[in-house]
Amino acid sequence: ETGVTQSPTHLIKTRGQQVTLRCSSQSGHNTVSWYQQALGQGPQFIFQYYREEENGRGNFPPRFSGLQFPNYSSELNVNALELDDSALYLCASSSTPGTGSYNEQFFGPGTRLTVL
Amino acid sequence: GENVEQHPSTLSVQEGDSAVIKCTYSDSASNYFPWYKQELGKRPQLIIDIRSNVGEKKDQRIAVTLNKTAKHFSLHITETQPEDSAVYFCAAGEEGFQKLVFGTGTRLLVSP
Repeated sequence: ETGVTQSPTHLIKTRGQQVTLRCSSQSGHNTVSWYQQALGQGPQFIFQYYREEENGRGNFPPRFSGLQFPNYSSELNVNALELDDSALYLCASSSTPGTGSYNEQFFGPGTRLTVL
Repeated sequence: GENVEQHPSTLSVQEGDSAVIKCTYSDSASNYFPWYKQELGKRPQLIIDIRSNVGEKKDQRIAVTLNKTAKHFSLHITETQPEDSAVYFCAAGEEGFQKLVFGTGTRLLVSP
């Protein structure tokens, strides 16, 4: 198992609500990426945070936003929830860009979000 | 942007047989290709990866090959065991960027 943790494990929300998901990166890792995994699909890149700033974004609307804290933990916020936002949300941590093994991303257990 | 296609979507083999999963990518700038194993209800786990300066990499029963000219890479599992049963995802990424683009997954079933 990796040292990446996520909370909560499961979450049920209704359309229009807002949600915050949390991720703690593996020790020694300072980069966090967030992915959305719909049922039966591969993970899709939402965005990445490095040194507390967004460092790349996928094809997701602005209502998906994030934060990274000085201890490298991160939050994913989703506003105005839609039914299609129901998915497993995964965070992955990795080491400093530019180092030999920085591409290796280690995933947390995920948060299962259900939007009713 | 990058697009990764993965085949087959399902693969059933007998214990002890070999299994091969193939992926193609579209962006010639991609130079990092990891493979993840995801068991039901669990997180994706990195099982092996390859960078573009290498054509093949092996780790015990698992090997990955890369053909940059044809833009495809493959996962080879030999002497399969029931515990190899899972969904396998290939992905492609570019050095200097952390975004990984994943394939749609292959459900591998190894029957005893």
